[in-house]
Amino acid sequence: RKEVEQDPGPFNVPEGATVAFNCTYSNSASQSFFWYRQDCRKEPKLLMSVYSSGNEDGRFTAQLNRASQYISLLIRDSKLSDSATYLCAVNMEYGNKLVFGAGTILRVKS
Amino acid sequence: NAGVMQNPRHLVRRRGQEARLRCSPMKGHSHVYWYRQLPEEGLKFMVYLQKENIIDESGMPKERFSAEFPKEGPSILRIQQVVRGDSAAYFCASSPPDSSYEQYFGPGTRLTVT
Repeated sequence: RKEVEQDPGPFNVPEGATVAFNCTYSNSASQSFFWYRQDCRKEPKLLMSVYSSGNEDGRFTAQLNRASQYISLLIRDSKLSDSATYLCAVNMEYGNKLVFGAGTILRVKS
Repeated sequence: NAGVMQNPRHLVRRRGQEARLRCSPMKGHSHVYWYRQLPEEGLKFMVYLQKENIIDESGMPKERFSAEFPKEGPSILRIQQVVRGDSAAYFCASSPPDSSYEQYFGPGTRLTVT
């Protein structure tokens, strides 16, 4: 079993749609969690950290479910510019390496 | 506040040559991480360094690869005797010495081995 797993997609959605991605992790001792966005041939950009209490930033909401060992990302009112690959990342131990999922491709179409 | 800087952005090497990739972390960041992204694959951790110390090199190939983060100057990822399989995007990330542990990535170096 992979340490971090994501549905690769692609998710093809119309503008204005709400879309949600899940990411599961295998290590129950994982400490911190992040969502990154990566555009084609670019570096990953930190979208948001994921806290136990949930985290919201504009149209983006991230949730953590420790009992079921998954994190989620919800995007409301999708824009064309949201088209990208979304990577979840899990930090097994504070201050140490990030383990990335393979990414979920989102394509928002007009 | 400048972000993480990497150079060169593109590097072409022939098989058997050496590749040196440089990374300057964000101002105020003391933790540096190197990741590799092979074509059509995910990001894989290679090494985690602090100034003058290698903290975790569990992702580094056993041979030909080395990394350093000297007291002065950028972090260097060095690949000796490159092979075609080393062709990839190499990303550096840095994080601050606080409890956020958020890592910010540089633009990457795309290494092509011919």
